[in-house]
Amino acid sequence: KAGVTQTPRYLIKTRGQQVTLSCSPISGHRSVSWYQQTPGQGLQFLFEYFSETQRNKGNFPGRFSGRQFSNSRSEMNVSTLELGDSALYLCASSSTLGEQFFGPGTRLTVL
Amino acid sequence: SQQGEEDPQALSIQEGENATMNCSYKTSINNLQWYRQNSGRGLVHLILIRSNEREKHSGRLRVTLDTSKKSSSLLITASRAADTASYFCATPTGRYSGGGADGLTFGKGTHLIIQP
Repeated sequence: KAGVTQTPRYLIKTRGQQVTLSCSPISGHRSVSWYQQTPGQGLQFLFEYFSETQRNKGNFPGRFSGRQFSNSRSEMNVSTLELGDSALYLCASSSTLGEQFFGPGTRLTVL
Repeated sequence: SQQGEEDPQALSIQEGENATMNCSYKTSINNLQWYRQNSGRGLVHLILIRSNEREKHSGRLRVTLDTSKKSSSLLITASRAADTASYFCATPTGRYSGGGADGLTFGKGTHLIIQP
């Protein structure tokens, strides 16, 4: 089976812009989660989607949003980018056993 | 606040030696997962251990879980240079209990260096 894929792999934006990141889960996995990783805060959970519904949400401002499509692919959007949003954004898809498998990540740099 | 905390923060050993990393957590969990990350890349899933399991093996990896002490350990035997990476334990946030995926809370990780 192909693993979790994320696009783009690298992204450079300026403050105030918005960005959309994409994630395709492992075939058959219906749950997709998003995480942010920074040197200071480490890995932090953003939100989780299952069957196009957000079931779980971390402690991030409303500028961070997401959605899931009927084919389980998911997108994450960050509006009004701030310098502190520079991070590695990781997507994970979950098996029915609860294991979460991560993609390679999208490295976002905000200038 | 961190749910899982790995110990030590950094570990340097010679190739061929065994490496042991520990993880402590604060609240009751139904499972715990270990991950490896190389140089800021994606996380590689190593093993999931459930709360009713005490020990689990996968190749050169051995994971133990002690729910009474709220701790877990990851043992890598016969280490190799390719094992150099950061290792994280992850526990469910507990915000979702519907049987599906729950958000994971990660510790800061243990940075393992294998000296050739």
